[in-house]
Amino acid sequence: QQQVKQSPQSLIVQKGGISIINCAYENTAFDYFPWYQQFPGKGPALLIAIRPDVSEKKEGRFTISFNKSAKQFSLHIMDSQPGDSATYFCAASSGGGYQKVTFGTGTKLQVIP
Amino acid sequence: ETGVTQSPTHLIKTRGQQVTLRCSSQSGHNTVSWYQQALGQGPQFIFQYYREEENGRGNFPPRFSGLQFPNYSSELNVNALELDDSALYLCASRLAGPYEQYFGPGTRLTVT
Repeated sequence: QQQVKQSPQSLIVQKGGISIINCAYENTAFDYFPWYQQFPGKGPALLIAIRPDVSEKKEGRFTISFNKSAKQFSLHIMDSQPGDSATYFCAASSGGGYQKVTFGTGTKLQVIP
Repeated sequence: ETGVTQSPTHLIKTRGQQVTLRCSSQSGHNTVSWYQQALGQGPQFIFQYYREEENGRGNFPPRFSGLQFPNYSSELNVNALELDDSALYLCASRLAGPYEQYFGPGTRLTVT
């Protein structure tokens, strides 16, 4: 049972553009929503995370927007760079936020010069 | 680098065999989780260990088992390997409590 749905599966963005990845969840018990970045041959690395008591969180070029009523959240990458080319996973967990993390299916981002 | 290491990097096994994968946690981290990542998919939670005991498990059969040692290193054991067990196996370590987990680079297991 997939509890976190992620789209699009792949994304091509021009350098300097905005990359947007969307996720939706079903389990209302989720209370922690991280985004991970994964490069080939590496494990996922935490990029940015949000809790449902805020609607937006920004860290540098990366912003999470969170809509609790719609059970949706998204990642925006501003001024996308070729070095941002990677696979991005949204995720969610409950019960303190760090256990049994459920991942989305991933979005492969390619930023072209 | 996260400080989490895994061995071996790659492994090829035959259906029906058993395999042991190893993980060395980041220094001081007393909690370890294991994930299975099939090609083109997100990681799926297998189980978590804290103080040498399993304290959370995903939808994986009992032939997936683990150990955590006093030095917080850990093992993932898979018995009676099936073709569908072919995947990248990731371990992630963290401190118990509201702290983020850090992933190792994974072990790529191929079952033929």
